[in-house]
Amino acid sequence: EVQLVETGGAVIQPGGSLRLSCAASGFSVGSDYMNWVRQTPGKGLEWVSLIYGDITTYYADSVKGRFTISRDISKNAVYLQMNTLRGEDTAVYYCVKESSFQRGVLGHWGQGTQVTVST
Amino acid sequence: DIQMTQSPSTLSASVGDRVTMTCRASQYVSSWLAWYQQKPGKAPKLLIYAASSLKSGVPSRFSGSGSGTEFTLTISSLQPDDFATYYCQQYNRYSWTFGPGTKVEIK
Repeated sequence: EVQLVETGGAVIQPGGSLRLSCAASGFSVGSDYMNWVRQTPGKGLEWVSLIYGDITTYYADSVKGRFTISRDISKNAVYLQMNTLRGEDTAVYYCVKESSFQRGVLGHWGQGTQVTVST
Repeated sequence: DIQMTQSPSTLSASVGDRVTMTCRASQYVSSWLAWYQQKPGKAPKLLIYAASSLKSGVPSRFSGSGSGTEFTLTISSLQPDDFATYYCQQYNRYSWTFGPGTKVEIK
């Protein structure tokens, strides 16, 4: 059974850094397409980043240059390093695995972790 | 980015009602469209992909249709467990984008 567990959310000051972790089980993160998606009451659901294959990565324009997605196959985990955080980065962050039957379909979601950027 | 819109934003209905909601894309996305259900405090769950393919285990009262830029999600007979918010998502090209959601509430 696929399971995704996010950790690392916190209250952080603007300009600060935070690393989110996603522990995966039931599959190998090295063989799948892994995303981070965030959600706010105001902006709704927003795709953030994707990693797959030989460390191919994509980012939303809103986080490009500030966020870095990575993975550790030995730990079967995916990470999101977030730097220069802004108030608009406040959100619940979900780790999401794409479905094996069709690229882009977000078939498995973690429970989410809250990131609050505030003084 | 491809912009997604959904209507209505809120839908009031009773158990047993047939409900339909619409999703529109700002550009052509073929059939690369998925629907998700989300309940308060929980992560979204996949219901439909490729515009009309039901994910295994999802009740058959859910159905999707459409292609190109206009799509619909229909619940043929609303059940108590279906009161939730529904989101559409295009995956035609990066970055994936979502609609703002349709909340189905009890009438």
